[in-house]
Amino acid sequence: EAGVTQFPSHSVIEKGQTVTLRCDPISGHDNLYWYRRVMGKEIKFLLHFVKESKQDESGMPNNRFLAERTGGTYSTLKVQPAELEDSGVYFCASSIGETQYFGPGTRLLVL
Amino acid sequence: GQQLNQSPQSMFIQEGEDVSMNCTSSSIFNTWLWYKQDPGEGPVLLIALYKAGELTSNGRLTAQFGITRKDSFLNISASIPSDVGIYFCAGPPLSGSARQLTFGSGTQLTVLP
Repeated sequence: EAGVTQFPSHSVIEKGQTVTLRCDPISGHDNLYWYRRVMGKEIKFLLHFVKESKQDESGMPNNRFLAERTGGTYSTLKVQPAELEDSGVYFCASSIGETQYFGPGTRLLVL
Repeated sequence: GQQLNQSPQSMFIQEGEDVSMNCTSSSIFNTWLWYKQDPGEGPVLLIALYKAGELTSNGRLTAQFGITRKDSFLNISASIPSDVGIYFCAGPPLSGSARQLTFGSGTQLTVLP
């Protein structure tokens, strides 16, 4: 069974540009989560989808971040416009029950 | 919100040595999770603890859920090179429908040959 996949694996952009990250959860997993780890710090929750609905977006930093999960399958996280402090590793996770399975992450560097 | 303090931040050990790392919180958790992140990968669940005082092993890994429910430790015995990575403690919220995990800042483990 395929695990959680994320694309791209790395992204380097300039401040002010737009970047869109994609997450494909494990097939059949209704729950999809986005997390972010800024260098050396803890992994922080961003938001949680149940199917196509946003269950909890309390961790989204500001309105420059937009997450979607149209159709309840894959999800995208768009950052527009990107700022220097948005650099970090963005993880996606999915679950059916309690255990969350993480993808490999997208390493974002904003210059 | 809930916060987890994880220590040490990094460790350099010789292959074959035992390792211990811990996690503390100012608030209680009902579940403690230990994840490992290999270089270039995402976190993978190693051990889950559900009861205060619980001691659980997974191969060379042993983790305990503290009696006060505010701490947990992870031990690795007889370390090997593939133990290299970042180890995170984590826990879900105490109540409600929220499922987001709170993570510690991680312990970076380096195993020297």
